Amino acid sequence: EIVLTQSPATLSLSPGERATLSCRASETISSYLAWYQQKPGQSPRLLIYDASIRATGIPARFSGGGSGTDFTLTISSLEPEDFAVYYCQHGFNWPNTFGQGTKLEIK
Amino acid sequence: QVQLQESGPGLVKPSETLSLTCTVSGGSISTYFWSWFRQPPGKGLEWIAYIYHVGSTNSHPSLKNRVTVSVDTSKNQFSLRLTSVTAADTAMYFCAREMAAARWYIDVWGKGTTVTVSS
Repeated sequence: EIVLTQSPATLSLSPGERATLSCRASETISSYLAWYQQKPGQSPRLLIYDASIRATGIPARFSGGGSGTDFTLTISSLEPEDFAVYYCQHGFNWPNTFGQGTKLEIK
Repeated sequence: QVQLQESGPGLVKPSETLSLTCTVSGGSISTYFWSWFRQPPGKGLEWIAYIYHVGSTNSHPSLKNRVTVSVDTSKNQFSLRLTSVTAADTAMYFCAREMAAARWYIDVWGKGTTVTVSS
């Protein structure tokens, strides 16, 4: 089973700042990686798939990059609604797994 | 706009069977892959199992002996059965749909249903 490790566990930033979240895979997963946003009491929301493709309706301030084992999610300028937990998930083989999450909190 | 709604008991006794159903509205259950996920309180997400509309299925290796997923195309529903539950199975359970354009990515989620395992 591929293990995804996200860092940092918590990221404290202010609105308007740039956020960079990381996800590292225990073995290569090519570009088969997605990012999700989850707010309290809600189901996850797909942001990015295939490492860098924005899902339908996702604002351009969200971007994804990386391949192989190292991936990043960047939010160029934080809006108040962006403070949430973010998960990465691989789609390379079964079982697909998720990272443990990064909590993006308001500083 | 397709919507998913989970239904089933919110409380299950230890050693008994957890049964959930996901009703698909606003679209057909045909053509897509459908999945079940869970999220223990305060923790991350786990992909339990998936099923294709024609019935091919797979489940997480750690749960394989306890999980059954099925689909009823006539009712536009799919279901999860998890046997011999313990407190470790207490979680929010989500049903979901994979993207049509790319496998393994989830673009539609149900709101989730809380299941507590307790006597």
